[in-house]
Amino acid sequence: NAGVTQTPKFRILKIGQSMTLQCTQDMNHNYMYWYRQDPGMGLKLIYYSVGAGITDKGEVPNGYNVSRSTTEDFPLRLELAAPSQTSVYFCAGVTRTGGGTEAFFGQGTRLTVV
Amino acid sequence: ELKVEQNPLFLSMQEGKNYTIYCNYSTTSDRLYWYRQDPGKSLESLFVLLSNGAVKQEGRLMASLDTKARLSTLHITAAVHDLSATYFCAVRNTGNQFYFGTGTSLTVIP
Repeated sequence: NAGVTQTPKFRILKIGQSMTLQCTQDMNHNYMYWYRQDPGMGLKLIYYSVGAGITDKGEVPNGYNVSRSTTEDFPLRLELAAPSQTSVYFCAGVTRTGGGTEAFFGQGTRLTVV
Repeated sequence: ELKVEQNPLFLSMQEGKNYTIYCNYSTTSDRLYWYRQDPGKSLESLFVLLSNGAVKQEGRLMASLDTKARLSTLHITAAVHDLSATYFCAVRNTGNQFYFGTGTSLTVIP
């Protein structure tokens, strides 16, 4: 049971390049989220999805796009990378456990834009 | 927009001492989460608090929730070095969005 898997783990982009951060889950999460974490800061919600075909903006969506064509996959796209997008990106899925509804996080993608 | 504030932001404490981390949030919610993050790692779920007065304990950590005061606490008892990490609280709103505090960086000194 892999949970939430993110790829790649690290990436360096040049300004203006584009890339897709992949997130795949095998826990049948309906709800999935993309967060960014800047150094020494908490997590900011970029986009989220309540199910296949449904996505919505979070706190900091500018410069990003997402899609949710299947329950398992929730990729995050950067179209024109900017230095301000240097951050660590976390994907999370929410599922019900014995203790209630919990969010489980992937291992993160460390992105540097130069 | 829901705001979540933690304090302190940084905490340095000696082994064996007790301390409390506070988490305040701005709008009504009865779903409060605590996570731990080690340097360079992902977030690990510690506690899920789902109702007013909820208290959960795991080892030297105990979390509580007061929904009327919009306050959660994470109490550390007899700290040990292994507890050094950053601790985040998060609140889930009715739209199922999780909002995180800025984190408390805890260093336990021998």
